Amino acid sequence: DGGITQSPKYLFRKEGQNVTLSCEQNLNHDAMYWYRQDPGQGLRLIYYSQIVNDFQKGDIAEGYSVSREKKESFPLTVTSAQKNPTAFYLCASSEYRGPTEAFFGQGTRLTVV
Amino acid sequence: RKEVEQDPGPFNVPEGATVAFNCTYSNSASQSFFWYRQDCRKEPKLLMSVYSSGNEDGRFTAQLNRASQYISLLIRDSKLSDSATYLCVVNSNAGGTSYGKLTFGQGTILTVHP
Repeated sequence: DGGITQSPKYLFRKEGQNVTLSCEQNLNHDAMYWYRQDPGQGLRLIYYSQIVNDFQKGDIAEGYSVSREKKESFPLTVTSAQKNPTAFYLCASSEYRGPTEAFFGQGTRLTVV
Repeated sequence: RKEVEQDPGPFNVPEGATVAFNCTYSNSASQSFFWYRQDCRKEPKLLMSVYSSGNEDGRFTAQLNRASQYISLLIRDSKLSDSATYLCVVNSNAGGTSYGKLTFGQGTILTVHP
């Protein structure tokens, strides 16, 4: 089945550590996105990528980094510079052109302990 | 001003009620529009796309007004199972060499009670 997979589902991190969240899609989508969601809040865009080897900062990129070395993969690293990383992280993908919907992974819940 | 703004809610309505959500967007180059539904602690899922001519899917009707940069979602005959957060989404992909992005509103919580 085609889809988008995030791992792990739950992640615990100690303060001061970097951690990488995985996002893989087999939908052959050009565009991929990372969002952060805090309790009772909407989705805020962290980074997005329209093509391999290129990505753009979203609204809250500070403390995060990404790479897009392969079309199907868009990992997100939460660095120690991110002051309040505990949140629900959602990865999405879509076609690049046309009126396209986004498909989401099931999300990763990151907790800093 | 936020790129996409929704009614703050929350909306608490009885079963059978009609409820409407509104959303405004600031980028006039926005190309496509969607409503997503998100259940508690789950990922958002597409409810319906929004077309200029308006579109209907059962009890749900979506409308787009490009001149006013406004979209709406109407739910008729509300069911208990409609309780969720409804997210307005705007795709500013202008095609060509322009990079687009999907921007979400903050969401409106709907609770339908017996």
